[in-house]
Amino acid sequence: GAVVSQHPSRVICKSGTSVKIECRSLDFQATTMFWYRQFPKQSLMLMATSNEGSKATYEQGVEKDKFLINHASLTLSTLTVTSAHPEDSSFYICSAELGTEKQETQYFGPGTRLLVL
Amino acid sequence: GIQVEQSPPDLILQEGANSTLRCNFSDSVNNLQWFHQNPWGQLINLFYIPSGTKQNGRLSATTVATERYSLLYISSSQTTDSGVYFCAARFTGTASKLTFGTGTRLQVTL
Repeated sequence: GAVVSQHPSRVICKSGTSVKIECRSLDFQATTMFWYRQFPKQSLMLMATSNEGSKATYEQGVEKDKFLINHASLTLSTLTVTSAHPEDSSFYICSAELGTEKQETQYFGPGTRLLVL
Repeated sequence: GIQVEQSPPDLILQEGANSTLRCNFSDSVNNLQWFHQNPWGQLINLFYIPSGTKQNGRLSATTVATERYSLLYISSSQTTDSGVYFCAARFTGTASKLTFGTGTRLQVTL
């Protein structure tokens, strides 16, 4: 159980175009999902917290108009990188939070590698 | 500010060896998770361990919350254990968000 998928797994786009990444919790409902970015040989950095039915909460330094997040249902959150530039090339990873009475655990998708030419 | 630091940053082991990875966190936490990131980038949940000790096969973890550290033990390492190990902490008062540690890159050789 607790499987999270991401699509696409890899995308190459031209500078100036927009790219949409989907994150789905396949076997559980997630009120809260998270989007992270990871540069080569670095740790994961949280970009934003996505709450179903409300606006996302962005971390300091993350442009909300550039990284649009929509969490329209309890199993789907999307991240759109608008007007992508080469410096946006990175590995984007989502997670979904599964909460029980005893613990709240994040489960991660397989990631999306974005290359902007 | 709040920080999560891991040591060692890099580790090379021969197959069959044991190792201990350390995670230090700067403030009180109500969630501590250990992950293994495989060479393809997938993060695999290892432990949810805000306190106490847990074991799962060759892996075990201990968190001493009062002293602000957690340890991950790998016994009888295998080449498939290679990858990056992250701990991530949810600090008290920071809602649900996890702060990831700096990671330990492990390479297990034959």
